[in-house]
Amino acid sequence: NAGVTQTPKFQVLKTGQSMTLQCAQDMNHNSMYWYRQDPGMGLRLIYYSASEGTTDKGEVPNGYNVSRLNKREFSLRLESAAPSQTSVYFCASIARLGGDGNTIYFGEGSWLTVV
Amino acid sequence: AQSVTQLDSHVSVSEGTPVLLRCNYSSSYSPSLFWYVQHPNKGLQLLLKYTSAATLVKGINGFEAEFKKSETSFHLTKPSAHMSDAAEYFCVVSLGGSYIPTFGRGTSLIVHP
Repeated sequence: NAGVTQTPKFQVLKTGQSMTLQCAQDMNHNSMYWYRQDPGMGLRLIYYSASEGTTDKGEVPNGYNVSRLNKREFSLRLESAAPSQTSVYFCASIARLGGDGNTIYFGEGSWLTVV
Repeated sequence: AQSVTQLDSHVSVSEGTPVLLRCNYSSSYSPSLFWYVQHPNKGLQLLLKYTSAATLVKGINGFEAEFKKSETSFHLTKPSAHMSDAAEYFCVVSLGGSYIPTFGRGTSLIVHP
């Protein structure tokens, strides 16, 4: 049982380049999330998907797009990377139903540097 | 709306002494509350969670937290700190229904020999 898997783990981009962070969970969870982590700021929500077929903006959505491809996969795209997007990105999922319904499961993180 | 405040950005203790990491939350409804730990350059690991069962919650590695509704607090404690406890700790609140977890800014726990 792999849990939440996100790729790549490390990436260096040049300003203006685009890239997609991939996230997949194998726990049949309904809700998925993308957060960014910056020093002293905790984790801030970029986008989330409450269920397959829906996506919504979080606290810091500017410069990002997302796709909930199916129930398993939720990708985050940077169309034109900026140095301000240098951060650590975490994908997460929650079941919402059942005894473990609101435990948050995280991927291992993606360290992104934009130069 | 929900929010969570971690009252200390840094806490410094000596090995073998008690640990107290403070968290207050704001929520219109009965929340679910979590503590996560993050070691340097690592992912997030669940320490413990409160989901409206017992108000005193025991977690891994000797940590526990008490939910106090009257004080809107969920402070994390450990009787005796270990060097391996040095890490960043996050308090998280999630409302049933919205399921949008909100994080505190984190508390860095420093453990001195």
